[in-house]
Amino acid sequence: AQSVTQLGSHVSVSEGALVLLRCNYSSSVPPYLFWYVQYPNQGLQLLLKYTSAATLVKGINGFEAEFKKSETSFHLTKPSAHMSDAAEYFCAVSDRRTGNQFYFGTGTSLTVIP
Amino acid sequence: ETGVTQTPRHLVMGMTNKKSLKCEQHLGHNAMYWYKQSAKKPLELMFVYSLEERVENNSVPSRFSPECPNSSHLFLHLHTLQPEDSALYLCASSRDSYTGELFFGEGSRLTVL
Repeated sequence: AQSVTQLGSHVSVSEGALVLLRCNYSSSVPPYLFWYVQYPNQGLQLLLKYTSAATLVKGINGFEAEFKKSETSFHLTKPSAHMSDAAEYFCAVSDRRTGNQFYFGTGTSLTVIP
Repeated sequence: ETGVTQTPRHLVMGMTNKKSLKCEQHLGHNAMYWYKQSAKKPLELMFVYSLEERVENNSVPSRFSPECPNSSHLFLHLHTLQPEDSALYLCASSRDSYTGELFFGEGSRLTVL
């Protein structure tokens, strides 16, 4: 079975500061890993995904994430926060064998302080 | 614009009403999904359809009834819902049910009185 833990349901950063959103997963097999973003009153949009290629994955809007097998982590980072980054962020894992079962974390709400 | 369109965006219904949520995808995908999003809870997968056949049904109450008439359309029929069913219902699609990337619609906000 797989699961996802997102540490910190709320994160606040100043504009221009580093963004770090944490995600740890548990999986019995090498997983696919994803970060999605949800802006108010909208659906989820894919930021980036890891599917066993490079461990450092670059996504849209300047975000990137690093897959660390030894730590079972897939933390999301952005060097400099922008006001438009304020949103809800979800980490997700799926089994490569049966990709239709996605497991989502409970989400992290990012606030950017001017 | 994600290529997945949901209607209506907002729906208020009484517990004895019958209503339906509609989802349409213009991406040529073969798999479609219904998720329930409630506050402070992980997204809950409700149903998965692959090539118009249901491949996943996560113990969803029978008051929710999905229908997938073709690979581009997905419905969620609602009947005698409970107030705790109030949530954001998200439709998603993917190239196939193993690809590992979902494209979501903007959701239908359901309120059950």
